[in-house]
Amino acid sequence: RKEVEQDPGPFNVPEGATVAFNCTYSNSASQSFFWYRQDCRKEPKLLMSVYSSGNEDGRFTAQLNRASQYISLLIRDSKLSDSATYLCVVIGGGNYGGSQGNLIFGKGTKLSVKP
Amino acid sequence: DVKVTQSSRYLVKRTGEKVFLECVQDMDHENMFWYRQDPGLGLRLIYFSYDVKMKEKGDIPEGYSVSREKKERFSLILESASTNQTSMYLCASSTSGGPPYEQYFGPGTRLTVT
Repeated sequence: RKEVEQDPGPFNVPEGATVAFNCTYSNSASQSFFWYRQDCRKEPKLLMSVYSSGNEDGRFTAQLNRASQYISLLIRDSKLSDSATYLCVVIGGGNYGGSQGNLIFGKGTKLSVKP
Repeated sequence: DVKVTQSSRYLVKRTGEKVFLECVQDMDHENMFWYRQDPGLGLRLIYFSYDVKMKEKGDIPEGYSVSREKKERFSLILESASTNQTSMYLCASSTSGGPPYEQYFGPGTRLTVT
């Protein structure tokens, strides 16, 4: 089983739609979780951290389910500017431990919001 | 504002050449990382460093080496470039000692080896 798995998409949705991405991780000892956003031909940037039971930031909600080892990202009222690839990221799931902040990246889910 | 800069946005090299990719961060971060990103494979960690002169292998260190002589600078070296090293190379930095663990990325270097 891969360490961090995501549906690659693409997810093609109309403006205003609600869209949800899921991500599963294999190491039950993983402690910290994130969603990064990567625009086309740009570097990844932190979108949200998910530390405990989840958190919300405006139109974005991240949830964590430790028992099932998955995290999700919900985007409400999608905007054209939300079009990007969303990377699920986990700490503590790799070979290096979590003490140095080494992140394990999923391959990303591509979102395309259409007018 | 955290800034991570990389020496080149685009680079074209010939097979067998020695290639240096430079990364500089201005936030006094302890940790620095080199990744490569390929379609369908995602981000893969090549090497990382958590202190000056310290380095650790990542998932795919073969064919690469690194150097960290100063805290702000982390260099990736391709000793003898090969076509399968054509990729997007991303440098990142982060602080150590605990959360939030956010990594800040540079803009990337798109390397083509012919």
